[in-house]
Parts: sequence; C-alpha cells; structure tokens
Amino acid sequence: TQLLEQSPQFLSIQEGENLTVYCNSSSVFSSLQWYRQEPGEGPVLLVTVVTGGEVKKLKRLTFQFGDARKDSSLHITAAQPGDTGLYLCAALNSGGSNYKLTFGKGTLLTVNP
Amino acid sequence: EAQVTQNPRYLITVTGKKLTVTCSQNMNHEYMSWYRQDPGLGLRQIYYSMNVEVTDKGDVPEGYKVSRKEKRNFPLILESPSPNQTSLYFCASSPGTSIYGYTFGSGTRLTVV
Repeated sequence: TQLLEQSPQFLSIQEGENLTVYCNSSSVFSSLQWYRQEPGEGPVLLVTVVTGGEVKKLKRLTFQFGDARKDSSLHITAAQPGDTGLYLCAALNSGGSNYKLTFGKGTLLTVNP
Repeated sequence: EAQVTQNPRYLITVTGKKLTVTCSQNMNHEYMSWYRQDPGLGLRQIYYSMNVEVTDKGDVPEGYKVSRKEKRNFPLILESPSPNQTSLYFCASSPGTSIYGYTFGSGTRLTVV
C-alpha cells in the first residue's frame, strides 16, 4: 500500500489569503486525485492529474503533479469561507486500476471571514 | 441525477447483531468500493468490486462481507458487529479508468454499543 503524507494537517487562514497544501510519497503514482470533503458528506472529486509536471486549474485552485510523479500540491488563491473543508489526495496503485485507491489523511482547511 | 445512495444514514446497534448497509449507484459504473473513515486514520478501503461477482479485499476487510450480484448494488454486511467497527462508512463507484475519480455516497454513521 502506498503511503501518502499530506501537510499541513490543519490550516486556519483569513479570507483573501493564499495557501498551498502538499501530498507526498516515496512511491511513484500512476495518477493522483484531489477531493474535497465537507462535514457529514462524502468526498467530492476536484481533479485528476496523470502526467508528470502537469498543472491544472479550477477557478482559484491550481493543482500540480511533480515531475517524478511522487508528489502533488494544491494552491488556493484568495481563499474564501466557502473553501473550508477537508482536502484529500488519493493515489491509484501502480497498475493504474481505479478500484485500489489509497487516500492521504487530509488537510483540514478553515477560512475565516 | 447521477448518484450513489447509501442507507441508512445513521445506525445505532448492539454488539453481535447482524446488519447490512445498502449501496446503490445509477451510473452503470463497473467499480464499486467501501471505505471507513476514522479520526486520525483517514479513509481506509474495506472491500472493492471490479464487476458483478468480482470482489476483493481492501486494507481493512476483517469483520466485513460484501456481495455484488447486480451491477448497481454493493451491500456491506457486518455479521457480528463489534464496538471497534463504530465508524463513518462510505460507498463509492467509478467507471474504472484512471482519469475518472470515485463518486461517493453521503455516508453511514454506524455506532456499535
């Protein structure tokens, strides 16, 4: 099982600030997914990154996949209270099969008005 | 609306009393999976299924059973629940290729007393 380490574990910031959260492993990922989870609900997929060095943008969110496909980052610009939630990264096993998805423990983000 | 439906949403039961948590998806997805989420441990995969009648163990399968007799349904069975199975459970489904993530249900909060 691939071990995914997310940092920081907790992050509390003011509205309008920028932030970056990280997802790291010693293993090479075939692809990596980012999810956001709100209290009492299931995780919701934000993005999938597949190619080393890939950058994807989703409004104020920028996702980057490391060149060696061992790490990823999520950058949020001008955070808003609606961005509050648990951000999870998840990696597929080396075979790339989508059924064996391993999650990191997440970064709990709080954006204060 | 495309969705994964879990029932019940909340359940309190006693040690040893068999229970089933149902899961159904309306997206014709090949892959389905069960996860449990615990504080400090994150999301851990219990069982997964690649297709009808094809299931396999995830990272924490002890004490659980599953079946996949139809493509849309993937129930989770606890034959003899114990207090250490108190957790938040999520069912999820996916088309199966790496570019698509999982769609999660809203969760079942189980308490075993």
